[in-house]
Amino acid sequence: EVQLVQSGGGLVKPGGSLRLSCAASGITFSSYSMSWFRQAPGEGLEWVSSISSNSANVYYAESVKGRFTISRDNAKASLFLQLDSPRAGDTAVYYCAGCYGATYCHYFDYWGQGSLVAVSS
Amino acid sequence: DIQMTQSPSSVSASVGDRVTITCRASQDVSTWFAWYQQKPGKAPKLLIYAASRLLSGVPSRFSGSGSGTDFTLTINGVEPEDFATYYCQQANNFPQAPITFGQGTRLEIK
Repeated sequence: EVQLVQSGGGLVKPGGSLRLSCAASGITFSSYSMSWFRQAPGEGLEWVSSISSNSANVYYAESVKGRFTISRDNAKASLFLQLDSPRAGDTAVYYCAGCYGATYCHYFDYWGQGSLVAVSS
Repeated sequence: DIQMTQSPSSVSASVGDRVTITCRASQDVSTWFAWYQQKPGKAPKLLIYAASRLLSGVPSRFSGSGSGTDFTLTINGVEPEDFATYYCQQANNFPQAPITFGQGTRLEIK
């Protein structure tokens, strides 16, 4: 069974930092492209960032470019999202998601359970 | 960015009804298009990809159609577990352009 288990959410002050993690099991993680999405309270879904299976290619939404960093550790089957200098508008539930493929996903059939990030002073 | 507009925003239905949800893209996305189901407090679940391909394990009462700018999700014979919010998603020209979602359609019990 494929599982993506997230950790690391919580309350962070504007201008602070937070690191989200997503641990995969049941898959050969190094063969999967991975992404992060978010969903503000009561709102729809927003793509945040994607990373290829070997970390060679990373992509970001304009809204987070220069502030968030996606990375992965294939040896530990884990995906990360570093949130630096978050703003109130970054408050959301963050989801990791992935698909089988080396470069990037167009569709996402595996999802984590979500991590709530609240940015507030 | 490509804007995705779903209609209706909410729909009420009874068990056994046929329900149709539409999604319109602000520009041609070919068939780089998917539908997701999301229940409260849960992650989205992929139902249909490439506009009309049913993901393995998804009940056959779900179907998708369309290409270009206009897409449809149909549920033939709504079951109690289908009451949820449905989102459309486009991935045309990704990663040169961002993936975007519709605002969601809430399927409620009549």
